[in-house]
Amino acid sequence: AQSVTQPDIHITVSEGASLELRCNYSYGATPYLFWYVQSPGQGLQLLLKYFSGDTLVQGIKGFEAEFKRSQSSFNLRKPSVHWSDAAEYFCAVGGSGNTGKLIFGQGTTLQVKP
Amino acid sequence: GAVVSQHPSWVICKSGTSVKIECRSLDFQATTMFWYRQFPKQSLMLMATSNEGSKATYEQGVEKDKFLINHASLTLSTLTVTSAHPEDSSFYICSASFFGPRGEQFFGPGTRLTVL
Repeated sequence: AQSVTQPDIHITVSEGASLELRCNYSYGATPYLFWYVQSPGQGLQLLLKYFSGDTLVQGIKGFEAEFKRSQSSFNLRKPSVHWSDAAEYFCAVGGSGNTGKLIFGQGTTLQVKP
Repeated sequence: GAVVSQHPSWVICKSGTSVKIECRSLDFQATTMFWYRQFPKQSLMLMATSNEGSKATYEQGVEKDKFLINHASLTLSTLTVTSAHPEDSSFYICSASFFGPRGEQFFGPGTRLTVL
């Protein structure tokens, strides 16, 4: 079955510290992988996506993610977190056989301490 | 960037009434629109996929007679919750795409539905 797991429900980091949000997926075909951020009162915004090619993907707001097929993972990283990064982060998987449908993980709430 | 709007942003209704939520792609033509439901502190659950001019495809477990979806144009899709009950209270989010499976989905800000 297709699924996405984000093991960390809630993460707290200090401003300026590095961040890694974990994402593991189960998908039968070639996966398309996405990270979205959801802030209160706003729609989900795409941070980055992976379809093929270079397994290290750069996104907006200084985020990057690395696709590791052997580990079925697509972890999101940022070297230095800003207070404005506090939000809900969702990993999602889609694929060529899915006509654009996305399966979302449970989400990780990021809290940033001053 | 591509903008998707939803209206209303929140609605309160009495049990047994129907509520219509609109999803519009403001600056692009959306070949496909998706409707999600999100419970507090939980993930987005896909309810249905709609393509302009076609019947919506509902996910398993979603009652198509309760959640009516119409995608009449390339810029507008509507979700009608018929005979709403308190258990239908939730956050409903739409997204729009114009580039098939490899395309980004652009999300609306969501609609908070509360059924009394």
